[in-house]
Amino acid sequence: NAGVTQTPKFQVLKTGQSMTLQCAQDMNHEYMSWYRQDPGMGLRLIHYSVGAGITDQGEVPNGYNVSRSTTEDFPLRLLSAAPSQTSVYFCASSTSGENSPLHFGNGTRLTVT
Amino acid sequence: DAKTTQPPSMDCAEGRAANLPCNHSTISGNEYVYWYRQIHSQGPQYIIHGLKNNETNEMASLIITEDRKSSTLILPHATLRDTAVYYCIVRVGVGTASKLTFGTGTRLQVTL
Repeated sequence: NAGVTQTPKFQVLKTGQSMTLQCAQDMNHEYMSWYRQDPGMGLRLIHYSVGAGITDQGEVPNGYNVSRSTTEDFPLRLLSAAPSQTSVYFCASSTSGENSPLHFGNGTRLTVT
Repeated sequence: DAKTTQPPSMDCAEGRAANLPCNHSTISGNEYVYWYRQIHSQGPQYIIHGLKNNETNEMASLIITEDRKSSTLILPHATLRDTAVYYCIVRVGVGTASKLTFGTGTRLQVTL
């Protein structure tokens, strides 16, 4: 049971490049979400999904796209990377049960130059 | 979701109890209090949660005041491996599992 797996662990992009951050969970969790963490800012919600085929915006969605074609996967796409997107990105999942805790991956460290 | 206020940092001697406070004066009746921690460079880890009763698990205890406007996370015998940033979060239950709002937390330093 791997839990929440994020790839890659590290990535360097040039401004304007695109890429996809991968997130997969093997716990059959309905809910999945993406957060970014910047120094002194805590974690901020980017996008989330309550089930396959359903996504919604969080606190800071601009510049990011998501899709949820399967229960297991929730990729985060940067269409045109900007230096302001330099951050650590965390994916999380949970069951739909009331008060179920989030399970986090170990993050992707992205640098945009 | 209600906002929370935590001290930015605390120190604790190894083997002693670490008591981490959290104020959530605007908490609603159906909002739960959650605690997570983040050890350097890793993803946040769930610790414990509660509504109005005190809770205990293998990691920690959670004490919630009767008016629910504040809570305390207790690590009974802190070790060096408990050095981390601790986040106190309040959220509504059903249907919002993906919408936790994290603040900046308390950085706990456990020392010899």
